Amino acid sequence: GAVVSQHPSRVICKSGTSVKIECRSLDFQATTMFWYRQFPKQSLMLMATSNEGSKATYEQGVEKDKFLINHASLTLSTLTVTSAHPEDSSFYICSASLQIRQDQPQHFGDGTRLSIL
Amino acid sequence: GENVEQHPSTLSVQEGDSAVIKCTYSDSASNYFPWYKQELGKRPQLIIDIRSNVGEKKDQRIAVTLNKTAKHFSLHITETQPEDSAVYFCAPGGSQGNLIFGKGTKLSVKP
Repeated sequence: GAVVSQHPSRVICKSGTSVKIECRSLDFQATTMFWYRQFPKQSLMLMATSNEGSKATYEQGVEKDKFLINHASLTLSTLTVTSAHPEDSSFYICSASLQIRQDQPQHFGDGTRLSIL
Repeated sequence: GENVEQHPSTLSVQEGDSAVIKCTYSDSASNYFPWYKQELGKRPQLIIDIRSNVGEKKDQRIAVTLNKTAKHFSLHITETQPEDSAVYFCAPGGSQGNLIFGKGTKLSVKP
């Protein structure tokens, strides 16, 4: 159980394009999901916390108008990178847990590798 | 916010030797301490976790020890194998249920 599906796995597109990434919890409901970004040879950095039915909470330094998050249902959160530029190229990965408690394991999607030309 | 430091950044061992990675954190309210293994281009995989009501947990060749007073926890891998080669991250739990990742340790196990 506790499977998180992320789509697409890879995107290559031109500068200025907007890209939408989906994160789904397949066999459980997730009121909260997390979006991370990972640059090559670096750690995962939390970008934002996605809350079902309310606005996402963004980490300091993450532009909310550039990285749009929508959590419209208990099983789906989307991240849209608007007007993407080469510096947005990265590995984006989502996670969710069965309960919103500090001591609960998080389950990660397979990630999306975004390459902006 | 939480400050997480992980050491060493790289670790090379011979097959069969043990490997130890240490993680220190700053938030005394943290009570969940997982270790993740990430292979190149793949998602992090939870390999072991511990909660603050216990000091040590073991799962076959992998163990985690926690010193909550000193605010550090360590990953121990015994009888290392080439397939243990990967990047390992500690990620103490934040107050909002999120994880704060350390910078990672690249473990290389030489046959």
